[in-house]
Amino acid sequence: GAVVSQHPSWVICKSGTSVKIECRSLDFQATTMFWYRQFPKQSLMLMATSNEGSKATYEQGVEKDKFLINHASLTLSTLTVTSAHPEDSSFYICSAIGPGLAKNIQYFGAGTRLSVL
Amino acid sequence: AQTVTQSQPEMSVQEAETVTLSCTYDTSESDYYLFWYKQPPSRQMILVIRQEAYKQQNATENRFSVNFQKAAKSFSLKISDSQLGDAAMYFCAWGSGGGADGLTFGKGTHLIIQP
Repeated sequence: GAVVSQHPSWVICKSGTSVKIECRSLDFQATTMFWYRQFPKQSLMLMATSNEGSKATYEQGVEKDKFLINHASLTLSTLTVTSAHPEDSSFYICSAIGPGLAKNIQYFGAGTRLSVL
Repeated sequence: AQTVTQSQPEMSVQEAETVTLSCTYDTSESDYYLFWYKQPPSRQMILVIRQEAYKQQNATENRFSVNFQKAAKSFSLKISDSQLGDAAMYFCAWGSGGGADGLTFGKGTHLIIQP
């Protein structure tokens, strides 16, 4: 149980275009989802926290207008990278928590590699 | 703000031997959790072990155990009988007791298993 699916696993886009990444909880209701960013050979950095039906809370230094997060349902959160540029190329990982699951354990998706040309 | 420090960028161990990965953290909170996550080449984050700060007893999961020293803010991971499948990046992470906040990760330790 507690499976989180992330799609796509890899996306290549041209500079200036927008890309949407989906994070779905397959067998539980995800009341909160988290989005992390991981540069090559580096750690995971929290970008934002999204609660279902509410606006996302962004970490300091993360541009809200560039990284649009929508958590419109209890099973889906999306991250849209708007007007992507090569410096946005990175590995994006989502995680989720929900009622009835083990306390304080976040369930991670498999991540999305974004390459901006 | 919380910080998590992993001072070993890379560790190497012979198969079947024991290795210990170090982690220190800093926080002013009293209610929190600590985690060790494994990230293999697939990059899927896998929870290895979790420790509640209010528990004095060290957590264990089969071949994996921790040495949690709360006063020293130290949280090391011991892997016994190392196996080839243990080769991965290992991240130490801090989470608030309420569980509703994102995790703070260390920079990771790359574990190499020598056959």
